[in-house]
Amino acid sequence: NAGVTQTPKFQVLKTGQSMTLQCAQDMNHEYMSWYRQDPGMGLRLIHYSVGAGITDQGEVPNGYNVSRSTTEDFPLRLLSAAPSQTSVYFCASSRGVGNTEAFFGQGTRLTVV
Amino acid sequence: KQEVTQIPAALSVPEGENLVLNCSFTDSAIYNLQWFRQDPGKGLTSLLLIQSSQREQTSGRLNASLDKSSGRSTLYIAASQPGDSATYLCAVRSDRGSTLGRLYFGRGTQLTVWP
Repeated sequence: NAGVTQTPKFQVLKTGQSMTLQCAQDMNHEYMSWYRQDPGMGLRLIHYSVGAGITDQGEVPNGYNVSRSTTEDFPLRLLSAAPSQTSVYFCASSRGVGNTEAFFGQGTRLTVV
Repeated sequence: KQEVTQIPAALSVPEGENLVLNCSFTDSAIYNLQWFRQDPGKGLTSLLLIQSSQREQTSGRLNASLDKSSGRSTLYIAASQPGDSATYLCAVRSDRGSTLGRLYFGRGTQLTVWP
């Protein structure tokens, strides 16, 4: 009964380093997405995918890359970390783009120093 | 662009009170509206999902209503308890072609229920 699993839970990076945040779901969901949550702001969409091999940009895509080689996995890559990317990152999945329920992972708290 | 607003931003009440949390959105082209609970340092837990064709949805002490035409939803919490203390988020899923399937979130209502 795993649902959406994110790793790691916490990460500290130095400016300029790169890393990959992992997201996996076991519900055979087609739609997956990444959000960032900053104090005083709502969750904002970074990138999303409507199925394996298909990705697109959300509201705040700069500095991030994604790929979707399988239905289960949707990793988020930070190319060259900046302090402005300090945030809590959430991965979500749903059965499709229509009238479906969204399920969220537990989040990754990232600090860039 | 869809804008989602939640009022109040924070609420502090004694145990036992009945509460109303408000959510409004600017674009009525939505598939559904979902209410979430977020505990400090944790992820989002889905509480209720209301389809755009529905007027309300109930789960235990929680009741959510939706008026799609006026762009409003309320989350009613009956007989509040200290364990209800958390941040409550609402999100709408877009039914508009250019943003199909995207979720738009409010900033949340931080609820504190004291004994």
